[in-house]
Amino acid sequence: NAGVTQTPKFQVLKTGQSMTLQCAQDMNHEYMSWYRQDPGMGLRLIHYSVGAGITDQGEVPNGYNVSRSTTEDFPLRLLSAAPSQTSVYFCASKPGQGNQPQHFGDGTRLSIL
Amino acid sequence: AQTVTQSQPEMSVQEAETVTLSCTYDTSESDYYLFWYKQPPSRQMILVIRQEAYKQQNATENRFSVNFQKAAKSFSLKISDSQLGDAAMYFCAYSGGGADGLTFGKGTHLIIQP
Repeated sequence: NAGVTQTPKFQVLKTGQSMTLQCAQDMNHEYMSWYRQDPGMGLRLIHYSVGAGITDQGEVPNGYNVSRSTTEDFPLRLLSAAPSQTSVYFCASKPGQGNQPQHFGDGTRLSIL
Repeated sequence: AQTVTQSQPEMSVQEAETVTLSCTYDTSESDYYLFWYKQPPSRQMILVIRQEAYKQQNATENRFSVNFQKAAKSFSLKISDSQLGDAAMYFCAYSGGGADGLTFGKGTHLIIQP
């Protein structure tokens, strides 16, 4: 049982480049979300999805796009990377909108030069 | 908007001793959940314990327990018989009744002295 799988684990980009961070879960969870973690900060919600075809913004959505075409996948897109987007990105999922614990992926460390 | 505050950036404890990590939160909701997550150097986010706001009984998981004071909006984590493997960042997190994810505190770095 793989759980939540994020790829890649590490990535270096140049300012202005585009990139898609992949997230897949095999637990048939309806709810998926993306967070970013910056030094000295807790995780902050970027975008979330309560089911296929439905997405919404979190606390820090600017500069990021998401889509949810299947239950399993929830990719995060950076259209034009900026140094301020250097961070560790976590994808998470849970069964529904209720207060079940979220299952986290192992994170993607993204550096933008 | 909800906020979560962890006032201890770093804590240090001797192996086998007990340590308490503090967390306070602010919310106007009556139904919510609180969580403690552990993040070791491997970067994984590992659920330690969770507490439902409507339950008065404090949650416990083996050596981990919480002191949940709803009126004071306080949710501290007690680790008994600290072990070297407990060394990590610990994050307190809040989840309300909606779909808008978790609100995290800034974390407490726990050091275990052998």
